[in-house]
Formats: sequence, C-alpha cells, structure tokens
Amino acid sequence: GESVGLHLPTLSVQEGDNSIINCAYSNSASDYFIWYKQESGKGPQFIIDIRSNMDKRQGQRVTVLLNKTVKHLSLQIAATQPGDSAVYFCAENSGGSNYKLTFGKGTLLTVNP
Amino acid sequence: GAVVSQHPSWVICKSGTSVKIECRSLDFQATTMFWYRQFPKQSLMLMATSNEGSKATYEQGVEKDKFLINHASLTLSTLTVTSAHPEDSSFYICSAREDYLEAFFGQGTRLTVV
Repeated sequence: GESVGLHLPTLSVQEGDNSIINCAYSNSASDYFIWYKQESGKGPQFIIDIRSNMDKRQGQRVTVLLNKTVKHLSLQIAATQPGDSAVYFCAENSGGSNYKLTFGKGTLLTVNP
Repeated sequence: GAVVSQHPSWVICKSGTSVKIECRSLDFQATTMFWYRQFPKQSLMLMATSNEGSKATYEQGVEKDKFLINHASLTLSTLTVTSAHPEDSSFYICSAREDYLEAFFGQGTRLTVV
C-alpha cells in the first residue's frame, strides 16, 4: 500500500502487479509535465511526458494521466518489475519557454519479488 | 537520448575550501543549463539557470557568491561551491537542454564537506 513518510511517500507492490503513482502539482499555468525515475545515487531519468492539451499519454508499460481540473498527475506502470524500484518524481514546467521545472516530493516505489 | 556528463561523481573536501563541479553536454549544444540540489530523501530544488555567455539566474534564497556558476561554452557549465561548509554537503545535479528541446540530466555529484 501507499504511505507517507517523514519526507518521502512510499509505495510497495508485488512483482507483476500494476503500480499507480500520484502527484499533485501546484501551478495551474503549467503547460508541460514530466515523470522521472531516480535510482539511488544517480540523476533523474526521463520516463514519459505530457502536454497540458492532452489528458493521457502511453509509452512502453507506462501511462501518464493528467487531470487539470484538480491539478493531478498520475503514472501507471504495468506489470511492475524489480528493476522499476526507484524514486519517481513528477515535474511541472511553469516557466513556459524558459523551461523551469518544479519537482514534486517524489514517491519511493519498492517492488517485492 | 542525449548525454550529459558530470564530474566528479563524488568529492570530499575540507571545510573552508572551494569545490568545482563540471557539467558537460557530450553530443549536443546546451544553450541552457540548470543546477539542482538534492538532500537525502528529498526532491530536487532548482538553484540556478544559466544560458551560454550570460550570467546565471539564481533562485530565491540561493547565494550567488557562494555558488558560482560559469557557462562559458555551449558544452560546459561549472558550479563552484566557495568556502564550503558541512551544511553544503548535498547531491548536486545538472541538466542541459538545446534550444526548446527537453532537458537531460547528469548523473549527479555527491559533495561531502568535512
């Protein structure tokens, strides 16, 4: 299940299950959103992005949903694998063409074999 | 995707000394580079944005005299932490983008000040 720790929310799932990671963004003027995966001691790795004129976008095993009404973003990972274990961040571009990303708190995903 | 390389991956320095971190775009021209700071189990916080040949724009609360940023070429930006203290210990990450394309992140630099 999902829990909120002192700093980092956590989500624990079984291998093969689907994972849903949620994110609330802050700026209603943000026009571009990105999900990143960050493994321990490494920089963020791009997973998938979505523009504000869309509400859903699919990639390989991942889907991003955008609900602008409630300023909510979610990342769905299908058939979660142990290699998916990492911290996942959503980021919003509130700077327009200046591309200024604001990152969410992050969610630690743990996949149990 | 494009490659952004940071150097060093980790560094330990004595309190009061300065440390320079390099960020290079290996296969594209980085018109804009960003520097972030990340404390353990926390999110990335943008420190500053630099455009090639221009002075960096610092976020509120970031001391520009403490964190010197130089973006002298289209493939290199440096962050110098001056007179480092233990509270400056953190994970520093750069990202780079070409024109209006997406930004790519470096692998980060772990700074420990003792």
